[in-house]
Amino acid sequence: KQEVTQIPAALSVPEGENLVLNCSFTDSAIYNLQWFRQDPGKGLTSLLLIQSSQREQTSGRLNASLDKSSGRSTLYIAASQPGDSATYLCAVPPSGSARQLTFGSGTQLTVLP
Amino acid sequence: NAGVTQTPKFQVLKTGQSMTLQCAQDMNHNSMYWYRQDPGMGLRLIYYSASEGTTDKGEVPNGYNVSRLNKREFSLRLESAAPSQTSVYFCASSLEGAGTGELFFGEGSRLTVL
Repeated sequence: KQEVTQIPAALSVPEGENLVLNCSFTDSAIYNLQWFRQDPGKGLTSLLLIQSSQREQTSGRLNASLDKSSGRSTLYIAASQPGDSATYLCAVPPSGSARQLTFGSGTQLTVLP
Repeated sequence: NAGVTQTPKFQVLKTGQSMTLQCAQDMNHNSMYWYRQDPGMGLRLIYYSASEGTTDKGEVPNGYNVSRLNKREFSLRLESAAPSQTSVYFCASSLEGAGTGELFFGEGSRLTVL
């Protein structure tokens, strides 16, 4: 069974810092990995999708990397801003399935002005 | 651009009452999903529909039923609500399977069962 772990559960940083969020998964036979953002009281918004053949994906100040062999992904946020404050979740397909996603519990990020 | 629309946004039920959560997407997606999100438990899949006319159980299907009414709409029904079903429910959709492409979420439906 695929298990997804995100550490730390919460992170607080001053504005302007570069930061890294971590995601680990137990079954490396994945089709892709997705990073989502969730604002309080809102749904999830997809940030980045990394296909299994890719090593990284970039969007603006966000960069996500994927190391399938070690079962790890990182989300790098450059020059953090208060507007980046949200919960960030990673998700991968469960073992042997391309139809669903298994989610981590998320990292709650607070960027202090 | 509506994307995924869920109704209602908030609902309070008494134990034993029934209700249906509605979901519609306007992106011509084949696959649709219902998740619940609980503190400390993360997002858990209740049911999904890989294509029109098909539905499959997810991780926590007990106490729920679903209907894929057409390609756009996927409803979730609670036949006899229980306090353990107090949660935030999210509908999502993807062009093909969620494990192969981007997943789009609705804003959520907050359900309280007394």
